[in-house]
Amino acid sequence: AQRVTQPEKLLSVFKGAPVELKCNYSYSGSPELFWYVQYSRQRLQLLLRHISRESIKGFTADLNKGETSFHLKKPFAQEEDSAMYYCALSGRLTGANNLFFGTGTRLTVIP
Amino acid sequence: DAGVTQSPTHLIKTRGQQVTLRCSPKSGHDTVSWYQQALGQGPQFIFQYYEEEERQRGNFPDRFSGHQFPNYSSELNVNALLLGDSALYLCASSWGVGLNQPQHFGDGTRLSIL
Repeated sequence: AQRVTQPEKLLSVFKGAPVELKCNYSYSGSPELFWYVQYSRQRLQLLLRHISRESIKGFTADLNKGETSFHLKKPFAQEEDSAMYYCALSGRLTGANNLFFGTGTRLTVIP
Repeated sequence: DAGVTQSPTHLIKTRGQQVTLRCSPKSGHDTVSWYQQALGQGPQFIFQYYEEEERQRGNFPDRFSGHQFPNYSSELNVNALLLGDSALYLCASSWGVGLNQPQHFGDGTRLSIL
């Protein structure tokens, strides 16, 4: 069965410091991995997906199939990065484009 | 474009009652998925509708049912409400099914069961 693990419920970093939000997954096959973000008082929105290999708002994430990880990284955290971050996967086992989410990590960037 | 819209915003029901939640997808989208997000958890997939049919279903009992209308809007119905049904219910829309298209989420309906 599929599983997405985000080991940190809470993560605090100082402004300007590097940030890494961890995501590990379990899936039989080749999933597509996503990071979704929810800023305060806003709806859940797509941050990035591994298939597009983009850098959004300075964030990057590399799919490591050997370690089954998809960690989200940013070299210099900004206060506006404070939000709830969810790692998610989809694939044939989850059913088409349906998403299987982790429990989320709340990132706080300290000024 | 208002994006995905959901109604109502909040709802309070008692155990045993029935509830209907509504969702209008983003303009140009034809697929609607519903998720349940319990407090402190990530969203959990309930089911997906495409061409007015349920295409995929998550691990939810038959008390959870839905419908999609010709204009692509959708309803989520929950019968015989339990305390454990208290959650944020999210609707997400996308274009097509089976294409891994990005999903766009609404603000959700907060359902509280007393």
